[in-house]
Amino acid sequence: GAGVSQSPSNKVTEKGKDVELRCDPISGHTALYWYRQRLGQGLEFLIYFQGNSAPDKSGLPSDRFSAERTGESVSTLTIQRTQQEDSAVYLCASSLRGSGRTSSTGELFFGEGSRLTVL
Amino acid sequence: AQTVTQSQPEMSVQEAETVTLSCTYDTSESDYYLFWYKQPPSRQMILVIRQEAYKQQNATENRFSVNFQKAAKSFSLKISDSQLGDAAMYFCAYRSAKTSGSRLTFGEGTQLTVNP
Repeated sequence: GAGVSQSPSNKVTEKGKDVELRCDPISGHTALYWYRQRLGQGLEFLIYFQGNSAPDKSGLPSDRFSAERTGESVSTLTIQRTQQEDSAVYLCASSLRGSGRTSSTGELFFGEGSRLTVL
Repeated sequence: AQTVTQSQPEMSVQEAETVTLSCTYDTSESDYYLFWYKQPPSRQMILVIRQEAYKQQNATENRFSVNFQKAAKSFSLKISDSQLGDAAMYFCAYRSAKTSGSRLTFGEGTQLTVNP
């Protein structure tokens, strides 16, 4: 597809269950980001992947959160033993490369997000 | 660490009028990007306008323009001839242009209402 694709669009789960959220970036985009957006709030950085470099995990809020990305393709964000405070929209974005003048615009392209509700 | 501040949680404007959304940021870097993103109820983040810090000229995209004051670390968005479709949450964002810095840092957002 032409844009960043995320699935599922909505997920309702019970407290204590594990969930997986998927992101398919724009083809050719080497950088991929996950953000969390709680209701009525701004975007909170979670994790960043750039090519084959070690990911920047500095935004992950706890060890219940993890993410993987194979090469420059799909990424999966996993939340283990979900808690009610994990309820949020999880947004994925991709860009041509991490940063630097040669990345042309510096712009991130976002998906429509996965809304997670933990009961 | 960079921070972005939007001091106006909510703003409203009459259709066809002009509104300005404020944004300030804090950084020790000299080369960076600044963005305004729009988020309608569909949740999709849409880029409105982009400014590169090394460019002195303020960016303009049709009805949208910015007032970039580098020394003051201010980056406001002006929407002219406001339309009902402009109603959304607007986020100001910062991104380093260094090779090692790459995440977008967002402000808390400004909810814009457009009244008919």
